[in-house]
Amino acid sequence: SYVLTQPPSVSVAPGQTAKITCGGSDIGNKNVHWYQQKPGQAPVLVVYDDGDRPSGIPERFSGSNSGNTATLTISWVEVGDEADFCCQVWDNNTDHAVFGGGTKLTVL
Amino acid sequence: QVQLVQSGAEVKKPGASVKVSCKASGYIFTNHVINWVRQAPGQRLEWMGWISAGNGNTKYLQKFQGRVTITRDTSTSTSYLELNSLRSEDTAVYYCTRDASPDSRFSFWYFDLWGRGTLVTVSS
Repeated sequence: SYVLTQPPSVSVAPGQTAKITCGGSDIGNKNVHWYQQKPGQAPVLVVYDDGDRPSGIPERFSGSNSGNTATLTISWVEVGDEADFCCQVWDNNTDHAVFGGGTKLTVL
Repeated sequence: QVQLVQSGAEVKKPGASVKVSCKASGYIFTNHVINWVRQAPGQRLEWMGWISAGNGNTKYLQKFQGRVTITRDTSTSTSYLELNSLRSEDTAVYYCTRDASPDSRFSFWYFDLWGRGTLVTVSS
């Protein structure tokens, strides 16, 4: 079945830009969605359909998707952004949702 | 307030069954598809299945076929996940989550609202 690969961790200083990648075979032809999950809390959708933001999500969160890699970009990172971020697609071949393994964002 | 409120933690013995509830409020329950997703300790999120709150149609991940049942009660705006023949590998936090499409006949295949999760522990 379809596999999404993410780096286990990304570290950035406050005010810098964090880029979290999500790799998958020809993922550029799929819609990629991103969730933020803080410890003990439910996931929150932060980007959908590659690069759109739900209402209430700051413009600092953006996304792109091309080829075999989708990327979540968080600009002007804040301490409060520390969380696990995971990507998700819908696998049309098997007709089910697939999630990446998650990336822990640490704000130094 | 738009939310999904899940039932409390459960501890079950191997071979038993568990039924987790997910009560929706603040929106029209039958307008959306509800999905169930679980996360075992240290593992990635794993999609289990969905139910159309409108017409009750369901689909399950093949690995759970025959062991899982997702239902809904429109009178109480509640969805239920029942998992049978529990084993230790089923120990996980179980989430209900709403498909973002405002029409339960169609899905957007991403999830804009999540419950806080229900911890199910399977242990002898």
